[in-house]
Amino acid sequence: EVQLVQSGAEVKKPGESLRISCQASGYSFSSYYIGWVRQMPGQGLEWLGIIFPDDSETKSNPSFQGRVVFSVDKSLSIAYLHWNNLEASDSATYYCARSVTTSFDIWGQGTTVIVSS
Amino acid sequence: EVLLTQSPGTVSLSPGERATLSCRASQRVSRSYLAWYQQKPGQAPRLLIYGASSRAAGIPDRFSGSGSETDFTLTISRLEPEDVGVYHCQHYGFSRVTFGPGTKLEIK
Repeated sequence: EVQLVQSGAEVKKPGESLRISCQASGYSFSSYYIGWVRQMPGQGLEWLGIIFPDDSETKSNPSFQGRVVFSVDKSLSIAYLHWNNLEASDSATYYCARSVTTSFDIWGQGTTVIVSS
Repeated sequence: EVLLTQSPGTVSLSPGERATLSCRASQRVSRSYLAWYQQKPGQAPRLLIYGASSRAAGIPDRFSGSGSETDFTLTISRLEPEDVGVYHCQHYGFSRVTFGPGTKLEIK
């Protein structure tokens, strides 16, 4: 079965660092882009960017550039989303999703991040 | 950047009725780059339609997509209670992905 399984919910303080993960299985991880999408409470979907696991090529939403970093571990078939300096406004649910050319066909279950002092 | 608007914001219909959801792009886009997702309460989004009119794997034929250039439509015929949720349209192009604000579908 093709699936993406994300790491569990996180509660962090402003200024802290965080890395959340997205474990892929059931397909060739290196062959498909992985995208990251943010959903703030009660709001719509916002695209953060995508990464191609084979060569770590990334494309980012300019609105989030400098705020988040994308990386992968090909050997483990895991994609990561990093923050170096969390802010309260980063509180949201974050989804990873497999990109097939122009859409996202497989989604992770989401990781909720709460940033609060 | 392509901006997407969706209407109506919320729609409330009865089981068995037809839902017509609209997605309008700020500029002409290729049909190939327009997709629709369903997001049920508390769940991740699920791909329904890609390429404006192609159903994703496992999606019932009650769901259909149409449209071109700036105006796209998702139609759900014969609504069922399980169709409740938010429906998002999405454009993928110019090295950028954008989502519409979503249409909330309520079932009476």
